[in-house]
Amino acid sequence: AQSVTQLDSQVPVFEEAPVELRCNYSSSVSVYLFWYVQYPNQGLQLLLKYLSGSTLVKGINGFEAEFNKSQTSFHLRKPSVHISDTAEYFCAVSAATRAGKSTFGDGTTLTVKP
Amino acid sequence: SAVISQKPSRDICQRGTSLTIQCQVDSQVTMMFWYRQQPGQSLTLIATANQGSEATYESGFVIDKFPISRPNLTFSTLTVSNMSPEDSSIYLCSVEGQGSPLGELFFGEGSRLTVL
Repeated sequence: AQSVTQLDSQVPVFEEAPVELRCNYSSSVSVYLFWYVQYPNQGLQLLLKYLSGSTLVKGINGFEAEFNKSQTSFHLRKPSVHISDTAEYFCAVSAATRAGKSTFGDGTTLTVKP
Repeated sequence: SAVISQKPSRDICQRGTSLTIQCQVDSQVTMMFWYRQQPGQSLTLIATANQGSEATYESGFVIDKFPISRPNLTFSTLTVSNMSPEDSSIYLCSVEGQGSPLGELFFGEGSRLTVL
């Protein structure tokens, strides 16, 4: 089984500041890692994913994440946030044997202030 | 990518009634997934709907409470039966993207149910 821990439930940050949203996971098998974003009153959409290869992955809207196998982490970063980045962010893991059945973290609310 | 439409987008229901949520996908998919997102919480997988077979339910979810239909490769329904206030949640339909068999999911906009 897999589990996901998002270390920060809320992250307030000023516009144009950098941000890091932290995610740790545990699993007994190899996993694939994802970050999703949920804007108010909308469904989730994929920001980025790590399947294999380079540990630094880039996604949409200027976000990137780094997979660290030794620390079992997959932290999300953005060098300069905008007001429009205010949303809920979910880290998720999926094992190849349970394709599509992702386990989600509890979410991090990112609030960007002017 | 996949475009997923859900109906209703929101509803207010009375205790003891049942509501059926519809999910339509713009392409044929093997598996469709139903998730629940309780207020202020994360997503929990309810069940996997496969065309032509019974849905597979996750621990803590049963068919009598959440019956699912999957009549073809582009459509599924989830019924929330005998509702109580604890069933107030957002219910999300999702599918894997085409050419993406590795867990990446696409979601509908959700159906927000409030049970009084």
